[in-house]
Amino acid sequence: KNEVEQSPQNLTAQEGEFITINCSYSVGISALHWLQQHPGGGIVSLFMLSSGKKKHGRLIATINIQEKHSSLHITASHPRDSAVYICAARVIQGAQKLVFGQGTRLTINP
Amino acid sequence: DTGVSQDPRHKITKRGQNVTFRCDPISEHNRLYWYRQTLGQGPEFLTYFQNEAQLEKSRLLSDRFSAERPKGSFSTLEIQRTEQGDSAMYLCASSLVGGNSYNEQFFGPGTRLTVL
Repeated sequence: KNEVEQSPQNLTAQEGEFITINCSYSVGISALHWLQQHPGGGIVSLFMLSSGKKKHGRLIATINIQEKHSSLHITASHPRDSAVYICAARVIQGAQKLVFGQGTRLTINP
Repeated sequence: DTGVSQDPRHKITKRGQNVTFRCDPISEHNRLYWYRQTLGQGPEFLTYFQNEAQLEKSRLLSDRFSAERPKGSFSTLEIQRTEQGDSAMYLCASSLVGGNSYNEQFFGPGTRLTVL
């Protein structure tokens, strides 16, 4: 079992739909990151969370530390939101390296 | 541009050849990470530096891999005697640790390696 699990692995929706991507983790963390990766590989950080909820534009990220679970929501989805969304747990010990989920490929159709 | 840069962006090589990648972090960042991402998977940790010291290496980093950060600024990742299984995206990230920083990692665009 991976230390960070995301669901779903693939998600296709129509423009305007409300999107939820889930992330569960089993490691001790100091923060939880949500990242966006477009074709070509570049990774952009969307959120870094250690508790509660953050909002940026149409994106909302929540985390429940007790349940070791985080969600990324996209409201009023748009085709330009199509990308791979990756959840990454920053481990507490040592390197504070990121342990990544396998990613969720999101496709928003017009 | 003051973000993390990587060079080259793409590298195609034949099996058995050596390759070297470079990462230039954000200038004041003291920590630098290397990750590897294979097709359809999330990235995996390879190694990291605190200033010029390499403090941790993953078991993924075989003897054919070596990384350096000689002056605590840019870093290089060398793969000797490349194998087809080395084909992947190699990602570099940097962060600032200490003081009031949050150790948020900022990623470069990656180097995509294809071994024929």
